Amino acid sequence: NAGVTQTPKFQVLKTGQSMTLQCAQDMNHNSMYWYRQDPGMGLRLIYYSASEGTTDKGEVPNGYNVSRLNKREFSLRLESAAPSQTSVYFCASSEVRGIAYEQYFGPGTRLTVT
Amino acid sequence: AQSVTQPDIHITVSEGASLELRCNYSYGATPYLFWYVQSPGQGLQLLLKYFSGDTLVQGIKGFEAEFKRSQSSFNLRKPSVHWSDAAEYFCAVGAMYNNNDMRFGAGTRLTVKP
Repeated sequence: NAGVTQTPKFQVLKTGQSMTLQCAQDMNHNSMYWYRQDPGMGLRLIYYSASEGTTDKGEVPNGYNVSRLNKREFSLRLESAAPSQTSVYFCASSEVRGIAYEQYFGPGTRLTVT
Repeated sequence: AQSVTQPDIHITVSEGASLELRCNYSYGATPYLFWYVQSPGQGLQLLLKYFSGDTLVQGIKGFEAEFKRSQSSFNLRKPSVHWSDAAEYFCAVGAMYNNNDMRFGAGTRLTVKP
């Protein structure tokens, strides 16, 4: 049981390049999320997917697209990277059990855009 | 939408001393509250959560937190800090029955002096 996995761990892009961050979870969760973490700002939600086949914008969606490929996988795409997208990106998954829920996080992808 | 404030950006305590990390939230209904810990280069791990019931919540690694509705606070405490507790701590607030809208504070970085 690996939990939430993310690839790659590190990436350096030049301005204007594109890339896709991959995320997979093996906990059979319905909900999945992409966050970015910047110094002094905590985690901010980029996009989420409440279930397979649905995606919704979070707090900071501009410059990103997502795909919920199946129940396990949720990818984040940067079509034309900008230096402002230099950040650490976390994927998470969650399920509601009764009234309780929590989000489980992957190890993160550290992205630098030059 | 809900929001979280962690007033202390950085705290330093001596090993063996007690610890209290502050968290204040803003939310119009009953909040769901969480504390996560992030060790350097790692993802976020859940320390504890509050949904209902007893306002003093016990978590992993000897941490506890107390929900005070009148003060809109959910402070994290530990009676005796260990060097391994050095990390960044995030408070988060979520909405009842909605695991897709969780807001994180900016984080408090804890340094432990020998």
